[in-house]
Amino acid sequence: QQQVKQSPQSLIVQKGGIPIINCAYENTAFDYFPWYQQFPGKGPALLIAIRPDVSEKKEGRFTISFNKSAKQFSLHIMDSQPGDSATYFCAANLIQGQNFVFGPGTRLSVLP
Amino acid sequence: EPEVTQTPSHQVTQMGQEVILRCVPISNHLYFYWYRQILGQKVEFLVSFYNNEISEKSEIFDDQFSVERPDGSNFTLKIRSTKLEDSAMYFCASSEAPGGKLFFGSGTQLSVL
Repeated sequence: QQQVKQSPQSLIVQKGGIPIINCAYENTAFDYFPWYQQFPGKGPALLIAIRPDVSEKKEGRFTISFNKSAKQFSLHIMDSQPGDSATYFCAANLIQGQNFVFGPGTRLSVLP
Repeated sequence: EPEVTQTPSHQVTQMGQEVILRCVPISNHLYFYWYRQILGQKVEFLVSFYNNEISEKSEIFDDQFSVERPDGSNFTLKIRSTKLEDSAMYFCASSEAPGGKLFFGSGTQLSVL
């Protein structure tokens, strides 16, 4: 029940494309859903996050869509750039909890 | 932007040896964490620490692991007797509040031979 599933495992798009990464969770107590971006040799960095009281959040080229009833959320990257090539992790945590549960990651490659 | 710093960046040790991984969290943060990432796999929670005590820990964090905040700035992870399967990238993180934005360090790559 603590698991967060993520797909696809890897994704290749052309520059300007809109990669979509999907995550699903089981535990309805989760109430914070961040996305992290990780470049090789670096720690994950928070990209954008959402709480379950809204269905969409947009920051720049990054958008989270959240479907509470389906227990799914996804990351969309508009006008993707080669610099967006990285591994993306979705995560979730419990109310006031400190244990973030991470998805297995999606390796995104944006071709020039 | 303030950052979490970790040392060393790489650590090679023999199986059975003790290692200490060091972290300096962001100065006004109160919650500290260790996560690990085995090569190519997901980031796994190890432990969280608040007010000088462990607040949560995972099944991975067994008796071989311990954490300490020896002074006002450092936060350490000790592995008493390393095993081959402890080889991983260890990330320290900190946050202002529980469940809030996590700031990760760049990690310590631990290799157990």
